[in-house]
Amino acid sequence: DTGVSQDPRHKITKRGQNVTFRCDPISEHNRLYWYRQTLGQGPEFLTYFQNEAQLEKSRLLSDRFSAERPKGSFSTLEIQRTEQGDSAMYLCASSPLWPGAIRGKGTQYFGPGTRLTVL
Amino acid sequence: TQLLEQSPQFLSIQEGENLTVYCNSSSVFSSLQWYRQEPGEGPVLLVTVVTGGEVKKLKRLTFQFGDARKDSSLHITAAQPGDTGLYLCAGMDSNYQLIWGAGTKLIIKP
Repeated sequence: DTGVSQDPRHKITKRGQNVTFRCDPISEHNRLYWYRQTLGQGPEFLTYFQNEAQLEKSRLLSDRFSAERPKGSFSTLEIQRTEQGDSAMYLCASSPLWPGAIRGKGTQYFGPGTRLTVL
Repeated sequence: TQLLEQSPQFLSIQEGENLTVYCNSSSVFSSLQWYRQEPGEGPVLLVTVVTGGEVKKLKRLTFQFGDARKDSSLHITAAQPGDTGLYLCAGMDSNYQLIWGAGTKLIIKP
């Protein structure tokens, strides 16, 4: 396994269109996170899954955003009716939360991101 | 609300100089991660520190976790142009969520 992968790497869309991004985490990592990042800033938390359950969503997350992780493996993030303010880098990360892990438990490993530009 | 203050926000120095980046909080973290990010890419994990007072070295980079696990520093010795990037610290809370610093944009001039 080579790490977290995201697809597509770049997406340009017109305002009002829907977009969907995919994240494939590191195998057997049971937690998966979505973040949004604007230029020069730290990542902003959007939501996370433990296995297939979505456990938390940021209060800043608009109803236009929805995420799924149907089989506890890959995840998708959909943005409906995109707005120019949605333009950002969307990052996915995964982490192991095995009960026996001590050092490094919960450490997040990031994918390369999807750069979204809304025209 | 947990906060992690990272400083400086921007640093531009000459090749060969030393530098230190700081992350400070009033909250205790179970661990703290340092990441480096290049434009158009995701953050790449550099190190995880877990124990209070822990010091880890990665070539010319030295990471330290404060005794009380509330703060951390990253020291780079003899900086090189290849060290240029955005450095991010992130503290892990009791639910394994990351609390992020704002990042330090580092430019090393040849």
